[in-house]
Amino acid sequence: DAGVTQSPTHLIKTRGQQVTLRCSPISGHKSVSWYQQVLGQGPQFIFQYYEKEERGRGNFPDRFSARQFPNYSSELNVNALLLGDSALYLCASSLELRVTTDTQYFGPGTRLTVL
Amino acid sequence: AQSVTQLDSQVPVFEEAPVELRCNYSSSVSVYLFWYVQYPNQGLQLLLKYLSGSTLVKGINGFEAEFNKSQTSFHLRKPSVHISDTAEYFCAVIRTDSWGKLQFGAGTQVVVTP
Repeated sequence: DAGVTQSPTHLIKTRGQQVTLRCSPISGHKSVSWYQQVLGQGPQFIFQYYEKEERGRGNFPDRFSARQFPNYSSELNVNALLLGDSALYLCASSLELRVTTDTQYFGPGTRLTVL
Repeated sequence: AQSVTQLDSQVPVFEEAPVELRCNYSSSVSVYLFWYVQYPNQGLQLLLKYLSGSTLVKGINGFEAEFNKSQTSFHLRKPSVHISDTAEYFCAVIRTDSWGKLQFGAGTQVVVTP
């Protein structure tokens, strides 16, 4: 079975641009979460979506937005990019909402570099 | 609010030697605890988690962790490491009343040498 897939694997943008990152969860998984991992730090929670509804939001500015589609895939959008947005963006999927009763599976991430 | 502190940023260890990775947390509410591993150029993989019950938790790849409520710690151990255990290890917590908002520590890089 395919794991969590993310695209693209790498991309380079300049300050002020907008970017869209994509995530395909494991088949049958209804929950998708997004994390930002800045170099040398642990992942920081951005969003969780379940059944196409936002169920959790981390401490990120409104420049960050996301959505989940009927097939449970998800997109993360970041507007007006800043240098500090350079990071590895991780997507995680799980069958259900609660990560405590269900295992989250992480994708390999998208490496975003903002110049 | 919660916080997670991983006390060592890097731990060098020889092959077949034991390793312990330290994790302390603080929280005003009850939390559940996790350890994840991140191999180079890969996503995170769950090693083990503590939800309730026995304070000694066994995970995959021979890892185990002990929850100590009084010391608010959740240290990870492996009695004998392999070269393939070279990776970054993250401790994480989640509020018991939360669904999916994991809070991670900064990570500990384990480097296993022959």
